[in-house]
Amino acid sequence: GAVVSQHPSWVICKSGTSVKIECRSLDFQATTMFWYRQFPKQSLMLMATSNEGSKATYEQGVEKDKFLINHASLTLSTLTVTSAHPEDSSFYICSAPVNTEAFFGQGTRLTVV
Amino acid sequence: AQSVTQLGSHVSVSEGALVLLRCNYSSSVPPYLFWYVQYPNQGLQLLLKYTTGATLVKGINGFEAEFKKSETSFHLTKPSAHMSDAAEYFCAVSVGWTGTASKLTFGTGTRLQVTL
Repeated sequence: GAVVSQHPSWVICKSGTSVKIECRSLDFQATTMFWYRQFPKQSLMLMATSNEGSKATYEQGVEKDKFLINHASLTLSTLTVTSAHPEDSSFYICSAPVNTEAFFGQGTRLTVV
Repeated sequence: AQSVTQLGSHVSVSEGALVLLRCNYSSSVPPYLFWYVQYPNQGLQLLLKYTTGATLVKGINGFEAEFKKSETSFHLTKPSAHMSDAAEYFCAVSVGWTGTASKLTFGTGTRLQVTL
């Protein structure tokens, strides 16, 4: 199956700094990438949809200036958490649709201290 | 808009017993339905999916699910649980498979515990 590689798998950063998370499609071209957020023991909530070559679409309540999404190529989408705060600590997962299946990255555990 | 309800946030079964994880959906158009499994600090792995055609779908690791339109359900079953099945299971729905229509709406998840 298709492979989505997500890095880093975990990151600890200081409050006020920015963190970039990358998702790469290794063996296919991803025109669309979904970014989800998962709080401990909760479900995945869609944050935004990135489309190659155009602006990302954010779900209601997600701050677009805080969660910057870039999808500059067909194999790379990035999520940057700007001016991170402890409440941004979460598990972030990307996903790309291929045919009738979604392939997920391994996830990134972000801890803001 | 579509939604998913998973009954039971925590299910415990004995090894060798039947596994039944419940999922009901709501969708204004014919849905695409999925079951995913997640192990701690990992991404999601697809167990099985229903798109069109046969309503009983078989997936990996001996799991299967049946799409019942009249009951708006897509329950996940496995005849005999293994210890390795202990994980978090998510039911999800989408309304299409192109562009933004393919985004998934997840249920709240069910944690499956398997005991000896």
